[in-house]
Amino acid sequence: AQSVAQPEDQVNVAEGNPLTVKCTYSVSGNPYLFWYVQYPNRGLQFLLKYITGDNLVKGSYGFEAEFNKSQTSFHLKKPSALVSDSALYFCVMDTGRRALTFGSGTRLQVQP
Amino acid sequence: NAGVTQTPKFRVLKTGQSMTLLCAQDMNHEYMYWYRQDPGMGLRLIHYSVGEGTTAKGEVPDGYNVSRLKKQNFLLGLESAAPSQTSVYFCASSSRTGWDQPQHFGDGTRLSIL
Repeated sequence: AQSVAQPEDQVNVAEGNPLTVKCTYSVSGNPYLFWYVQYPNRGLQFLLKYITGDNLVKGSYGFEAEFNKSQTSFHLKKPSALVSDSALYFCVMDTGRRALTFGSGTRLQVQP
Repeated sequence: NAGVTQTPKFRVLKTGQSMTLLCAQDMNHEYMYWYRQDPGMGLRLIHYSVGEGTTAKGEVPDGYNVSRLKKQNFLLGLESAAPSQTSVYFCASSSRTGWDQPQHFGDGTRLSIL
């Protein structure tokens, strides 16, 4: 069965420090992976995607993600966190029919 | 550009009542989707449409119906609301060209069933 797991409900990091939000996936075949961010009372916004090619993907707002096939992971990273990065982050996988499978979400809290 | 617009933003219903949620997109997207978001569960797909006049079931379709009479609109109906349908509902759309294109989301409809 295809699934996406985000093992951390919440990640706390100090402003200026690097951040990592973890994601692992399970799929038969090649995965198409995305990260979306959700701010309070808003819809989800696309951050970045991995389809094929370079394992390091760069996205919006200074975020990047590293695809690791052997570890079936797609962790979201940023070198220096901002307070404004505080939000709910979803790792998402395309199941091949243009419909998405979502992880449960990780709340990122960046402290000043 | 308005993008994806959902109406209403909030609604409270009594058990057994019916209602329709409206989603409108102005990006000429072929694909449209309805999701529900519950605490700790991410988003789950209810129904989706790959074009005008077409609909298909998603992961959690029971208790919901949809219609796509016009390309820009995707309606989600609850015929007889139940407390288990209390949730935040999101509509999304995406283009057909380039299957890896991201989905664009509306800001959601908060629905409470008493």
